[in-house]
Amino acid sequence: IAGITQAPTSQILAAGRRMTLRCTQDMRHNAMYWYRQDLGLGLRLIHYSNTAGTTGKGEVPDGYSVSRANTDDFPLTLASAVPSQTSVYFCASSYSDTSTDTQYFGPGTRLTVL
Amino acid sequence: GQNIDQPTEMTATEGAIVQINCTYQTSGFNGLFWYQQHAGEAPTFLSYNVLDGLEEKGRFSSFLSRSKGYSYLLLKELQMKDSASYLCAVMDSNYQLIWGAGTKLIIKP
Repeated sequence: IAGITQAPTSQILAAGRRMTLRCTQDMRHNAMYWYRQDLGLGLRLIHYSNTAGTTGKGEVPDGYSVSRANTDDFPLTLASAVPSQTSVYFCASSYSDTSTDTQYFGPGTRLTVL
Repeated sequence: GQNIDQPTEMTATEGAIVQINCTYQTSGFNGLFWYQQHAGEAPTFLSYNVLDGLEEKGRFSSFLSRSKGYSYLLLKELQMKDSASYLCAVMDSNYQLIWGAGTKLIIKP
């Protein structure tokens, strides 16, 4: 693994189903982030984690949950998907959350909720 | 509220120079980032400015004026591969990135 990986690459999901988007980084970064990107809008922060064992809410956290059991992994779960969650989801990481370290992005997951 | 404004789309000619502007209003300022995003791909880091002035990195330069809440990205000697979206983002007082919607740059031969 080099950098950040995300899985799946794309997914079509029926409304009401549960879905977990996976994110793994091998850079030993402390901070990790989940964003969604929708046409005509900037990237919006869903949840973040400053370090393993801690998580926080971003701008649009409703309907999503995260966990950070270790440094490398930061899964995003949609408990009961709705069509408005159709989006491209990007995971990102940075060395630290309390400085201006560059955020590095994974390749994204394109999710369609029908 | 917090706001980042940049043009939706710009067109330029191969070999020319283009300037992409970004204006911002945020709660606090801990630096401004520019990212490049090709269609269907992840954003990749281009530049970071925290002090006023121009930062040059090869064909790309980025300028910041904190008093005016203004930045621009300057791309010289445009190549077809520069066709992409360019995202402006400001790190606020909570060290969270606030993102603009991006500027789609179309390069014509």
